[in-house]
Amino acid sequence: GENVEQHPSTLSVQEGDSAVIKCTYSDSASNYFPWYKQELGKGPQLIIDIRSNVGEKKDQRIAVTLNKTAKHFSLHITETQPEDSAVYFCAASKKSNTGKLIFGQGTTLQVKP
Amino acid sequence: NAGVTQTPKFRVLKTGQSMTLLCAQDMNHEYMYWYRQDPGMGLRLIHYSVGEGTTAKGEVPDGYNVSRLKKQNFLLGLESAAPSQTSVYFCASSGRQGSSGRFYNEQFFGPGTRLTVL
Repeated sequence: GENVEQHPSTLSVQEGDSAVIKCTYSDSASNYFPWYKQELGKGPQLIIDIRSNVGEKKDQRIAVTLNKTAKHFSLHITETQPEDSAVYFCAASKKSNTGKLIFGQGTTLQVKP
Repeated sequence: NAGVTQTPKFRVLKTGQSMTLLCAQDMNHEYMYWYRQDPGMGLRLIHYSVGEGTTAKGEVPDGYNVSRLKKQNFLLGLESAAPSQTSVYFCASSGRQGSSGRFYNEQFFGPGTRLTVL
């Protein structure tokens, strides 16, 4: 079945630096790739997503890139701030009538002031 | 608009006890999901539902049962709790958007239930 691998598992950066989290997926039929942010004690929340017909998408300080040939996608956070500290999950899904997402293992991002 | 709510927030059970976790959503979403979150393992799908009266198994269904008698509610049951079921449980929903009937994949998550089985 579909598998999503996420790296690194932990990431520590200085405030103002950039952070990059990478994911690979196994099912070439996957066509939707969201990223979720989970703050301590809360449920995950969608921060950005990309569909397979687009190579890159940006929203202020966050961006996502997709390489369909290599089957990997990445989250880029620029000018990191302490409030960016959280656990980030990537996910993948394909066109279906279930809406199921397959999640990566998560990355704990720490932004040091 | 409360979004997705879960009750209870915390629960401690003894091995062999049973309990039901309740998830409710007020967004008129068709799809609902139950996940468990364990350190280093991400979010794993337990069961899901694509509409009222329907349920299906996810990635890790053993030891759990679900019911979706009403569109807005999705119940997760543990008939005989085991220590391996100690986890944080999240409910999520997603739904149809627009008159075209196209389904969108964004899932909205509840705040979670922390369950400890002794």
